[in-house]
Amino acid sequence: GAVVSQHPSRVICKSGTSVKIECRSLDFQATTMFWYRQFPKQSLMLMATSNEGSKATYEQGVEKDKFLINHASLTLSTLTVTSAHPEDSSFYICSARDPLRGGRVYEQYFGPGTRLTVT
Amino acid sequence: AQRVTQPEKLLSVFKGAPVELKCNYSYSGSPELFWYVQYSRQRLQLLLRHISRESIKGFTADLNKGETSFHLKKPFAQEEDSAMYYCALSPANTGNQFYFGTGTSLTVIP
Repeated sequence: GAVVSQHPSRVICKSGTSVKIECRSLDFQATTMFWYRQFPKQSLMLMATSNEGSKATYEQGVEKDKFLINHASLTLSTLTVTSAHPEDSSFYICSARDPLRGGRVYEQYFGPGTRLTVT
Repeated sequence: AQRVTQPEKLLSVFKGAPVELKCNYSYSGSPELFWYVQYSRQRLQLLLRHISRESIKGFTADLNKGETSFHLKKPFAQEEDSAMYYCALSPANTGNQFYFGTGTSLTVIP
């Protein structure tokens, strides 16, 4: 159990377009999901915390108007990169917290990631 | 602000040798510390957490508040331990966010 999926796994888009990445909890309801960004050979950087039914909380330095997060249901959060630029190319990873498994911080499951390439 | 430092990007050890992956943190409060592991082509998964003081796959990690360290240790490395290891910090009483170190790529040489 506790599987988190992401779609697509890879996406290539042209500069100036928008791209949406989905994060789904497949066998549990996730009240909270997190979005991370990972540059090559670097760490995961927390971008934002997504709470179902409310606005996402963004980390300092993350442009909320560029990285739109929607957590419309208990099993789906989406990250939309608007007006993408080549510097947005990165690996985006989501994670979801399962409140029924105690809801502690470590009961958080990671998706496989989405590789975004902006040309 | 919180910060997690893993000074070694790459670490190679021979099979059967002891291994230590270093992690230092800075945080004004009392954080929770974790080690996550990512095997080749797999997603990130929890290895262990400091609160449980457990040993997973032979790995242990002790939180040293005086030195603000949470080094990961294993007395005898195995080939299947080759992976990317991330130290992570979660501030106390927050919304369960993780702040990760830069990661250490461990290679166990047969």
